[in-house]
Amino acid sequence: SQKIEQNSEALNIQEGKTATLTCNYTNYSPAYLQWYRQDPGRGPVFLLLIRENEKEKRKERLKVTFDTTLKQSLFHITASQPADSATYLCALEWDYNTDKLIFGTGTRLQVFP
Amino acid sequence: DAGVTQSPTHLIKTRGQQVTLRCSPKSGHDTVSWYQQALGQGPQFIFQYYEEEERQRGNFPDRFSGHQFPNYSSELNVNALLLGDSALYLCASSFASGRNEQYFGPGTRLTVT
Repeated sequence: SQKIEQNSEALNIQEGKTATLTCNYTNYSPAYLQWYRQDPGRGPVFLLLIRENEKEKRKERLKVTFDTTLKQSLFHITASQPADSATYLCALEWDYNTDKLIFGTGTRLQVFP
Repeated sequence: DAGVTQSPTHLIKTRGQQVTLRCSPKSGHDTVSWYQQALGQGPQFIFQYYEEEERQRGNFPDRFSGHQFPNYSSELNVNALLLGDSALYLCASSFASGRNEQYFGPGTRLTVT
């Protein structure tokens, strides 16, 4: 079965630095990959989607890369702010016909002043 | 434009009881997916409804069932509750075409005692 690995340890960085989160998967590459932000007790909020034929996607201070050779996606937040502190989830979809997402366990990011 | 809404927000049930959770999708969306999120874990896909039918199902027992109504709203039913069913239940809506981001509701926190 497909497995997704995200660093379970929290990532602590200083405000203004770039945060880089990793998402690794096993077996064959997904149709596409998504990143979500989740605050405690709330539902995930969609951030970015990248398709299997795309290498990189950007949105404001966010950047996602997708390396199907390494079976890895990197999620970057530049000029990080304390408000960016949250858990970040990567989600993969292997079925082209549905939106069945398989989520990683998430990585908690803490940005301190 | 209202986003995804879920009710109730919190629920406490006793082992062996049955529970019904409700979800209204984002306006214009026709597909509803349900996820279970245990503490410290990523959401796990339960099933997805489109055109009032279950289109995709995750690895959950038959105690978990659902329904989608003509107005695209949905219900999740869980019978014979177990302590392990305690979790945050998330509803997400999207377009049927797939390859789209999902919009999550705030979730229903279910506690089984």
